[in-house]
Amino acid sequence: QQQVKQSPQSLIVQKGGISIINCAYENTAFDYFPWYQQFPGKGPALLIAIRPDVSEKKEGRFTISFNKSAKQFSLHIMDSQPGDSATYFCAASAGGGADGLTFGKGTHLIIQP
Amino acid sequence: DSGVTQTPKHLITATGQRVTLRCSPRSGDLSVYWYQQSLDQGLQFLIQYYNGEERAKGNILERFSAQQFPDLHSELNLSSLELGDSALYFCASGWTTGANVLTFGAGSRLTVL
Repeated sequence: QQQVKQSPQSLIVQKGGISIINCAYENTAFDYFPWYQQFPGKGPALLIAIRPDVSEKKEGRFTISFNKSAKQFSLHIMDSQPGDSATYFCAASAGGGADGLTFGKGTHLIIQP
Repeated sequence: DSGVTQTPKHLITATGQRVTLRCSPRSGDLSVYWYQQSLDQGLQFLIQYYNGEERAKGNILERFSAQQFPDLHSELNLSSLELGDSALYFCASGWTTGANVLTFGAGSRLTVL
């Protein structure tokens, strides 16, 4: 049973455009929602994270939007650059993450120059 | 370099064999998490250790086992290997028992022929 559903599976965006990746979760006990970025040959790296007490968090060109009632959260990449081309994973954890992170299946993002 | 060291980077073996993957956590981190990444299943949480003790189990097969040693490095043992075990195996470390801030290594790519 997949507890975090991520879409789309792949995404192509023009340079300077906005990239949007969506995730939905089922477990209402989740209380931490990070996004990880993975480049080929590397491990995932924490990009940005949010807790459900806020609806939005922004760090530079990256923004997480969170909708607790809909059990959905999304990553927005503004002014997308070719260097943003990577695989992005949403994730969720509950109770301090003692049981690890539950990841979505990933979105392969390509930014075309 | 994330500070989490995984060896070997690549491993090719045959069905029925046994392999050991090694992970050295980032300096100061007490927790080690193991994840399996495959194309169809994404990142799956296998097991977590904190300061030498098992803390949480995820989707880890009975053929797989792990341990964390007094110097905090961890080993993941995979036995009776099957073709379907071919995947990237990631180790991640954190300074607490929670998964909220994890640093991933570059992974060990296992190919079972």
